[in-house]
Amino acid sequence: GAVVSQHPSRVICKSGTSVKIECRSLDFQATTMFWYRQFPKQSLMLMATSNEGSKATYEQGVEKDKFLINHASLTLSTLTVTSAHPEDSSFYICSALAGAASDTQYFGPGTRLTVL
Amino acid sequence: AQSVTQLDSQVPVFEEAPVELRCNYSSSVSVYLFWYVQYPNQGLQLLLKYLSGSTLVESINGFEAEFNKSQTSFHLRKPSVHISDTAEYFCAVSENTGGFKTIFGAGTRLFVKA
Repeated sequence: GAVVSQHPSRVICKSGTSVKIECRSLDFQATTMFWYRQFPKQSLMLMATSNEGSKATYEQGVEKDKFLINHASLTLSTLTVTSAHPEDSSFYICSALAGAASDTQYFGPGTRLTVL
Repeated sequence: AQSVTQLDSQVPVFEEAPVELRCNYSSSVSVYLFWYVQYPNQGLQLLLKYLSGSTLVESINGFEAEFNKSQTSFHLRKPSVHISDTAEYFCAVSENTGGFKTIFGAGTRLFVKA
């Protein structure tokens, strides 16, 4: 089956620093990837839709200068949390569509970000 | 815009008992429906999905869900649960109009007791 990986799985950083999270589709090409944020014991909140070779589409209320998304290839999308603050601490999950005609998202295992 | 409501935040049940996790959605267009399972500190795994055709869909581990268009529901059921089924279950909907933006319900915590 389609596999999506995320790196790192856990990261702890100091307030004010930037953190990059990678999302890779390992055995398929993903023209579209999604980034979600999940607070403890809550559902997933869609942050942005990332299309290869174009700018990401951000959901209302998500700061695009704060959460930089780059989808430079068909197998890699990155999320950079810039100038991180404790309130950015969360579980970040990416997903990928296996092709434009795909109807199923494949999810990565998630990245736990803790900002001290 | 679509929305998803999972009516139960927690469902405790004894092992080998049947369980139903409820999901209702609203949308002005036709939709795809999904159930995902999330184990602690892990990402989501697709459990089953309804795209079209038969309204009853099944997973490989004994779960099933039925799409009911008139009641706008997609409840998840299992006739006999195991301890290993303890997890968070999310119902999700995406509009069948391209773009594939998916909205998730708040989740239901299934807790199977021995």
